[in-house]
Amino acid sequence: QKEVEQNSGPLSVPEGAIASLNCTYSDRGSQSFFWYRQYSGKSPELIMSIYSNGDKEDGRFTAQLNKASQYVSLLIRDSQPSDSATYLCAVKRVSGGNEKLTFGTGTRLTIIP
Amino acid sequence: DTEVTQTPKHLVMGMTNKKSLKCEQHMGHRAMYWYKQKAKKPPELMFVYSYEKLSINESVPSRFSPECPNSSLLNLHLHALQPEDSALYLCASSQEVRSVYGYTFGSGTRLTVV
Repeated sequence: QKEVEQNSGPLSVPEGAIASLNCTYSDRGSQSFFWYRQYSGKSPELIMSIYSNGDKEDGRFTAQLNKASQYVSLLIRDSQPSDSATYLCAVKRVSGGNEKLTFGTGTRLTIIP
Repeated sequence: DTEVTQTPKHLVMGMTNKKSLKCEQHMGHRAMYWYKQKAKKPPELMFVYSYEKLSINESVPSRFSPECPNSSLLNLHLHALQPEDSALYLCASSQEVRSVYGYTFGSGTRLTVV
């Protein structure tokens, strides 16, 4: 089982619709959860962080965390063509003297005009 | 200043060359990282620096040599690389190691080894 799993896509969503991206993780000790957006040929950009169960909204983005189900999701409302990118889920665990940030393989999202 | 700056943006080097990648941040972050990313793959951790000391080396070959001259700067010295080392090299920083916060990535250096 991969530590962080995402559907690789591609996920195609019409412009103006809601894009839903999902991520599951295996380490129950994980404490911090992130969504990064990466445009082709560019570096990852942190767009959402979530640390506790529930929803966190920032503009058109909503992150959802369910630690019992080991599930993180990202909703993008009113999708725009500029949202077309690969979205990386990342999970962080801090224990003892170490930390570990583990990335999923990413979901490629295409917004269709 | 909320940026991590990497130079150069592109680098082509021969297998016998020596080159260096540079990374700079002025956010007061005390943890800095080097990642390598191949096409259509997630970033892979190479090195972690905490308070200017190397704290993690993910079994990276010795042809990659990191250096942290001060709390704002991170270098990656390259020597005798192989074509399979061609990748996007990313620098990142965070407030400190063992915090709950995410990492801020630089724009990366696209390295091609010929």
